[in-house]
Amino acid sequence: DTGVSQDPRHKITKRGQNVTFRCDPISEHNRLYWYRQTLGQGPEFLTYFQNEAQLEKSRLLSDRFSAERPKGSFSTLEIQRTEQGDSAMYLCASSWGEGTLLYEQYFGPGTRLTVT
Amino acid sequence: DAKTTQPNSMESNEEEPVHLPCNHSTISGTDYIHWYRQLPSQGPEYVIHGLTSNVNNRMASLAIAEDRKSSTLILHRATLRDAAVYYCILRGILNTPLVFGKGTRLSVIA
Repeated sequence: DTGVSQDPRHKITKRGQNVTFRCDPISEHNRLYWYRQTLGQGPEFLTYFQNEAQLEKSRLLSDRFSAERPKGSFSTLEIQRTEQGDSAMYLCASSWGEGTLLYEQYFGPGTRLTVT
Repeated sequence: DAKTTQPNSMESNEEEPVHLPCNHSTISGTDYIHWYRQLPSQGPEYVIHGLTSNVNNRMASLAIAEDRKSSTLILHRATLRDAAVYYCILRGILNTPLVFGKGTRLSVIA
């Protein structure tokens, strides 16, 4: 089975460096979401795509964050000039979406980012 | 988004039923009640959802109060693998992203 996969699983970086994470969704899913989770909190929504179009961005997604989903398949999340406050688990999820019909989201295992 | 209130933590003995409560007094008529859980070191996973009627699936049952201001997730026989954080989420038909609270951390004792 190919569930949602994320790469890398762990990333340690120095403050000020740029990092990029990749998410491969379930192949037939047209919607892809990014969430961020800090210790002891539930995941917080960052952004989502329907196919290649980025339809919504949270105000949490500062100018240093950018996400893409070229060709509506995998997605990348880039953080520029990382700060210690960016340390978190970055979760990707995918689902099928059709109009107002809601389908469950399938989550990947996450990428844990540590900024030193 | 409408808010939910859940206890921070609950404890259950293995093989016993578990009732996880959720209050959502400001729920609107088009909000669905979703439950997800997050096992240690994993991403969240879908458990169940419902609108007005009680729902059952292979993982759990969802009991929804008649006024829809509260609901209860029922695990019929808790196992050690059910130890997780359980999130109750309200989701309107136009709300695609999930809005998570802090959830309830369920501990299962052997």
